[in-house]
Amino acid sequence: EVQLLESGGGLVQPGGSLRLSCAASQFTFNDYAMHWVRQAPGKGLECVSAIRSNGYITYYADSVKGRFIISRDNSKKTLYLQMNSLRVEDTAVYYCAKVIYSVGVFDGFDIWGQGTMVTVSS
Amino acid sequence: EIVLTQSPATLSLSPGERATLSCRASQSVSSYLAWYQQKPGQAPRLLIYDASNRATGIPARFSASWSGTDFTLTISSLEPEDFAVYYCQQRSDWPLTFGGGTKVEIK
Repeated sequence: EVQLLESGGGLVQPGGSLRLSCAASQFTFNDYAMHWVRQAPGKGLECVSAIRSNGYITYYADSVKGRFIISRDNSKKTLYLQMNSLRVEDTAVYYCAKVIYSVGVFDGFDIWGQGTMVTVSS
Repeated sequence: EIVLTQSPATLSLSPGERATLSCRASQSVSSYLAWYQQKPGQAPRLLIYDASNRATGIPARFSASWSGTDFTLTISSLEPEDFAVYYCQQRSDWPLTFGGGTKVEIK
């Protein structure tokens, strides 16, 4: 079964850092762009960051630009999100998501992880 | 940033009834729009991609269409498991954006 499994969430103080991981299985990870999408409690969905299949080109929402870094290790089939200078408003469930097509980055998402909760609070 | 406006915010219907959900884009996204279903405590599930294509395993009671910047998701006859929140999402330009959601609740 095609699967994504996130880890690394937790409680962190404002200004702190956290690194999320997303382990992929049962598909050719290095063929697909990957995204991080977050959902604040009781709110809608927000695309936070994306990375091309080869890892060389990345995209960020304005809300996280300069603070978050997306990366991937295709040999380990793992996606990462390094979150620095965290703010209260970054509190959300963070999902990793696989794009539908193996070409391009801007796409719908056919596979989602179960999500990992990040809480930023003092 | 492309803004997607979903309406209504809440739809109260009974099982067996037809549901019609709307999503309007602030500018052209061509046919680059997807629909997702999300139930409490779960990740979103892809229903429709590129405006009218059903994703793998999605029942035929889900259909979608579009005209210009107006997109519609139709559930022909609601099943108990269809009561959930539905989101549209555009992939025309970065940042990829989602609509605010439509909650389909049991009347």
